[in-house]
Formats: sequence, structure tokens, C-alpha cells
Amino acid sequence: DGGITQSPKYLFRKEGQNVTLSCEQNLNHDAMYWYRQDPGQGLRLIYYSQIVNDFQKGDIAEGYSVSREKKESFPLTVTSAQKNPTAFYLCASSPSNRVGTEAFFGQGTRLTVV
Amino acid sequence: DAKTTQPNSMESNEEEPVHLPCNHSTISGTDYIHWYRQLPSQGPEYVIHGLTSNVNNRMASLAIAEDRKSSTLILHRATLRDAAVYYCILRGNTGTASKLTFGTGTRLQVTL
Repeated sequence: DGGITQSPKYLFRKEGQNVTLSCEQNLNHDAMYWYRQDPGQGLRLIYYSQIVNDFQKGDIAEGYSVSREKKESFPLTVTSAQKNPTAFYLCASSPSNRVGTEAFFGQGTRLTVV
Repeated sequence: DAKTTQPNSMESNEEEPVHLPCNHSTISGTDYIHWYRQLPSQGPEYVIHGLTSNVNNRMASLAIAEDRKSSTLILHRATLRDAAVYYCILRGNTGTASKLTFGTGTRLQVTL
């Protein structure tokens, strides 16, 4: 089945460690996105990529890094520079530059930093 | 980015219609109006989208004002499974405008 997969579902890390969250899609979508969600809040855009080997900062990119070496993969690294990394992280993909298309979301990774 | 305004929360009784409003007075001519919903501890799922005309699908209907400065998501018969946070989003169709920017949404409670 086509879809977007995030792994792992739950992740625990010690403070000061970098951690990489996985996002893979087999929908042949050009665009991919990373969002952060804090309890009771909406989604905030961290990074997005419209095409392979290109990505742009979203609204809260500080302390995060991404890569887009393959069309189907868009991993997010939460670095030690991120002051408050504990959150629910969501990845999404959509066809880019196609009028009015929908985005598909993964089930999220809940990161807890202790 | 054009912004949307939604009520923080709404309540509905089961089996009754629900009208979820969204204001987007700064919408541009090429922005599509998208609706997503998010159940607890899950990723958002697409509900419906439209540009100018009203739209219907198996999940809901979208009514768009003639001036496009507001829209309403209509759930024809709410069920307990419709309890979620509903997000109204404006999305351009090319380049950086195609990114999805979420607001805080409307939390819909459905009661028996």
C-alpha cells in the first residue's frame, strides 16, 4: 500500500544528544514537510522540501537539520541546540506544484528528551 | 502567508449537522481552501478542499462565500468518531506558497 511512514513511534533520548527521525514515502511525491506539535497546540512548520536536494526553513527551524538525498526520504535531525525538543513530530508529503492537491501525514514520532 | 481564523471549540450532538466556520479575509486569488482534521495522537487527515465553488465528498461539504473571505465545513450528521481538531488552511498552488501552514484549529466535541 502507498503511504508515508514515520519511525519510531516513540523515542527517548538524553539531553545533549542528537537524534534523527525517519520519514519515508512511496507515493512518488515531490514535496515533503516536517512539523512539530506541542500539547494542545497546532502544527508548526520546521522544514520543507519541494524537490530532491533542496529544502527551505519553516517557521521554527532553529536547532533542527534535514536532508533530501532521495525523493522518498526526508529525515529530520533534532540537534542538541534545540532548547526544548520534547514534542510530537509529524512528517507529510504532497505532490508539489499541482493545483489543489492534498497532503498525506504520517502517524508521528513522539520524542521525549530526559 | 494568508491567515485563517477559527473558533477554538464547538460542540454538537450526535446525528446532527455541524457547521465549522473559517475566516480568511486576506486570501489571494490562487489560494485553495483546505480542511484537515486530527484525532488524538494521530497525524492530520485530509477532509476536503476547494477554490471557488462549493464542494462535496463522502466525508463533508465545503461552502465557500462568494467573496472567498470565509468558508464553512459542513458535517451532515456528526458521529462520535468526528470528534477531532479541524484545521482550515489556505494553500497556494506553486512553489513556496504550496506549503501548508496550520493555525490552532477548532476542537469539535460530539456528545450523545
